[in-house]
Amino acid sequence: DSGVTQTPKHLITATGQRVTLRCSPRSGDLSVYWYQQSLDQGLQFLIQYYNGEERAKGNILERFSAQQFPDLHSELNLSSLELGDSALYFCASSAPGGFYNEQFFGPGTRLTVL
Amino acid sequence: AQSVTQPDIHITVSEGASLELRCNYSYGATPYLFWYVQSPGQGLQLLLKYFSGDTLVQGIKGFEAEFKRSQSSFNLRKPSVHWSDAAEYFCAVKPTTGGGNKLTFGTGTQLKVEL
Repeated sequence: DSGVTQTPKHLITATGQRVTLRCSPRSGDLSVYWYQQSLDQGLQFLIQYYNGEERAKGNILERFSAQQFPDLHSELNLSSLELGDSALYFCASSAPGGFYNEQFFGPGTRLTVL
Repeated sequence: AQSVTQPDIHITVSEGASLELRCNYSYGATPYLFWYVQSPGQGLQLLLKYFSGDTLVQGIKGFEAEFKRSQSSFNLRKPSVHWSDAAEYFCAVKPTTGGGNKLTFGTGTQLKVEL
């Protein structure tokens, strides 16, 4: 158990809908990262937050947005869902103070868009 | 742009046999290098990492990896594979400067262990 929790574990929804994925980082970690794992694209970095502020952005679609709240949990919002958004979405967290700090991954949320 | 190549999509080894999983990276400078393992239904777990120094890195679960600058490679090895090692293995890189803290992953190698 990495200490990173993600809810829900599974999500099934229809095209055009909007969903919210939630992540709670390990106690004390200030950075949260979101990754998408799909058959087409593999594991891709989406976005990073550090203590509530966006720190880095990757291949995140405009239909997707994220935020990190004062209690440091993070939410990834996916809207106008398409079939191709079906994937496993991972959240990871790392401790403050640097670049060398390991990212600890949560178990993921499996999103199925029908 | 940096990239990571794992040329073997699937590998099958017998239990007790040795294992080597290949990883090559393309980047302007030597990045930080990682190996992660993903068991079915699980998140990613860090096996080992290389930042600098000794090019042979020891990790958890009996794994090791060797960084070879001349070949831009960071291959993962294990002398004797156990059935519980069956999983998907990902090589990843992170830039040493700039680029935030994001990891760029290879496409993964699925390891099957025959009993």
